[in-house]
Amino acid sequence: QVQLVQSGAEVKKPGASVKVSCKASGYTFTGYYMHWVRQAPGQGLEWMGRINPNSGGTNYAQKFQGRVTMTRDTSISTAYMELSRLRSDDTAVYYCARESSSSLGYWGQGTLVTVSS
Amino acid sequence: QSALTQPASVSGSPGQSITISCTGTSSDVGGYNYVSWYQQHPGKAPKLMIYEVSNRPSGVSNRFSGSKSGNTASLTISGLQAEDEADYYCSSYTSSSTLAGWVFGGGTKLTVL
Repeated sequence: QVQLVQSGAEVKKPGASVKVSCKASGYTFTGYYMHWVRQAPGQGLEWMGRINPNSGGTNYAQKFQGRVTMTRDTSISTAYMELSRLRSDDTAVYYCARESSSSLGYWGQGTLVTVSS
Repeated sequence: QSALTQPASVSGSPGQSITISCTGTSSDVGGYNYVSWYQQHPGKAPKLMIYEVSNRPSGVSNRFSGSKSGNTASLTISGLQAEDEADYYCSSYTSSSTLAGWVFGGGTKLTVL
């Protein structure tokens, strides 16, 4: 069965960076794009970007260009999302999600990132 | 990439049907058949309910259906049940001259009365 298991909660200071991991199992990791979506407290879903685990190619939402980096390690079937120059409004739950048929059919459990001085 | 427009809330009684709209532009909803719908219960990850406008993933009840007309997509839930109370989000592929990606709607809170 497909599983996406994310790293644990993080607390960061403004200006720092955070790197969230997403370990995939139950399918061929390189066969499906991996997306990252975030949700601020009490707010809606926000698409951040996606990575092609096979080629490493990325597409980022305009809002996060220059601040987000998505990478992967195919040897351990893990995708990563790093967000830099953190601000308080980056406090959110960050999800990884696997794409198929242009939709997100499998989601990780979410990682809470809190940005606070 | 502007968010798609959804009503903030809808409600219905058990057994009734409700429809949630999702309005975009010709660069997203109207331009591609890549509209999907997600259900999210409090504290949980979203769950895919509809993909490619009107297709249901395996295991999703046939009480959920999707459609699209022009720049507006819709999710209909028939035979409302208490367990359907949740937040619902639409999403679409979007493409402009400079960027391509995905965009979500602002979400709709469904209350089962």
